Amino acid sequence: QQPVQSPQAVILREGEDAVINCSSSKALYSVHWYRQKHGEAPVFLMILLKGGEQKGHEKISASFNEKKQQSSLYLTASQLSYSGTYFCGTEQRRETSGSRLTFGEGTQLTVNP
Amino acid sequence: KAGVTQTPRYLIKTRGQQVTLSCSPISGHRSVSWYQQTPGQGLQFLFEYFSETQRNKGNFPGRFSGRQFSNSRSEMNVSTLELGDSALYLCASSSATLAPLHFGNGTRLTVT
Repeated sequence: QQPVQSPQAVILREGEDAVINCSSSKALYSVHWYRQKHGEAPVFLMILLKGGEQKGHEKISASFNEKKQQSSLYLTASQLSYSGTYFCGTEQRRETSGSRLTFGEGTQLTVNP
Repeated sequence: KAGVTQTPRYLIKTRGQQVTLSCSPISGHRSVSWYQQTPGQGLQFLFEYFSETQRNKGNFPGRFSGRQFSNSRSEMNVSTLELGDSALYLCASSSATLAPLHFGNGTRLTVT
C-alpha cells in the first residue's frame, strides 16, 4: 500500500526549515528518501531501518518511528539547491532487501531566494 | 564511474504496438529494478532482476515483461501498448542488499 506523504507541496525562503512526513498503514522494515529535480533522475538521500538510528546528511536528516509507521525528513537552513520533489519509498519485508520500494506521491519543495 | 544508462530517451508509439526499453546498470551492480512514473500514480515498481533472475514483481499486467543478461544489462518490454502506458520508465541499479538505488534518466514513452 502506497505511503502517504505530507504536505503535498511547500514553499520556503532560503534559510527556512521544513519537515516532510511519510506515513504507512502497515508495519515497515525500511524507509528510503529520494529527491528528484525537474527533468532529472531521483537521487538517493538516505535509508532508515527498523531499529536503526536517525540518519543525517549535511543539513538534511530523517527519523523513523516504527511504532507509528512514520518517517520524517528534516531540512534545516534550506538552500536553493534543495528545491525538488521528495519521495519516500517504503519496504515491509526484510526479504526484499531494498529492491522493491513502494513510493509515496511526493512532496514538491520550492526554495525561493 | 559511468551512471545508469537508459535508451532510448524518448519513444512515440501507437496503440497496439510493442516496445523494448534498455538499461545498462553501473558497472558491478547486479540488481536492476524498473519503475513507472506518471503524474497521477507517482513511482510504481514494475520488477527487479538479480543475476538474470526476476526476484520481485509489481502489480502490472503480463503485457509488461523484462529480462536481464549475463552482463547485468536489462530490457523491459511492453506489448499491445495502451494509451495509459504513456509514462516515464525509470531503471535503477544497486550494488547490494539495502544499498541505494541509482536511477537512470529514464525513457519517456508516449502512446498515441
